[in-house]
Amino acid sequence: KAGVTQTPRYLIKTRGQQVTLSCSPISGHRSVSWYQQTPGQGLQFLFEYFSETQRNKGNFPGRFSGRQFSNSRSEMNVSTLELGDSALYLCASSLEAGDWNEQFFGPGTRLTVL
Amino acid sequence: AQTVTQSQPEMSVQEAETVTLSCTYDTSESNYYLFWYKQPPSRQMILVIRQEAYKQQNATENRFSVNFQKAAKSFSLKISDSQLGDTAMYFCAFKADYKLSFGAGTTVTVRA
Repeated sequence: KAGVTQTPRYLIKTRGQQVTLSCSPISGHRSVSWYQQTPGQGLQFLFEYFSETQRNKGNFPGRFSGRQFSNSRSEMNVSTLELGDSALYLCASSLEAGDWNEQFFGPGTRLTVL
Repeated sequence: AQTVTQSQPEMSVQEAETVTLSCTYDTSESNYYLFWYKQPPSRQMILVIRQEAYKQQNATENRFSVNFQKAAKSFSLKISDSQLGDTAMYFCAFKADYKLSFGAGTTVTVRA
């Protein structure tokens, strides 16, 4: 089975632009979560989706949004990019939405904001 | 809000020896789950071990085991017979209400 895939792997944007990152979960997995990883703040939870519904979200401004499609693929969008948005964005999928479920992580998208 | 604290930024261990990583957490949730994830230098995060908070028995996965002390809100990871492939950053994580919170991580280096 193919793992979690994220596209693109690397992205360079300038301040004020917007960006869309994509995540394809493992086949059969219905839950997708997003995380931001930075040297200063570590790993922070962005949001979790299950069956196209957002189950929870972290403490991020409204510039960060996401969605999940009927095939479980997910996208996250960041509008009006700021320098501090430079980070590794990780996506993880799990079979179901329960807290017990193991999350399988993708390789991440490295976003650089200039 | 839950917080996860890993007080050891870095640890070094000789191959074949044992190392223990500490983790404490703070929460008002009664039902939750605890995890240790490993992020090798290649950056793909993988699950090492998990523990249900309502289970008193400590989880074990081959050379990895945990010491879960619910009252003390402590969840340490022991790596026995350390191998070079164990070199990675290890994150302690807490999950409740569909939200996974991570500690700052501990970098473990296994020396040959």
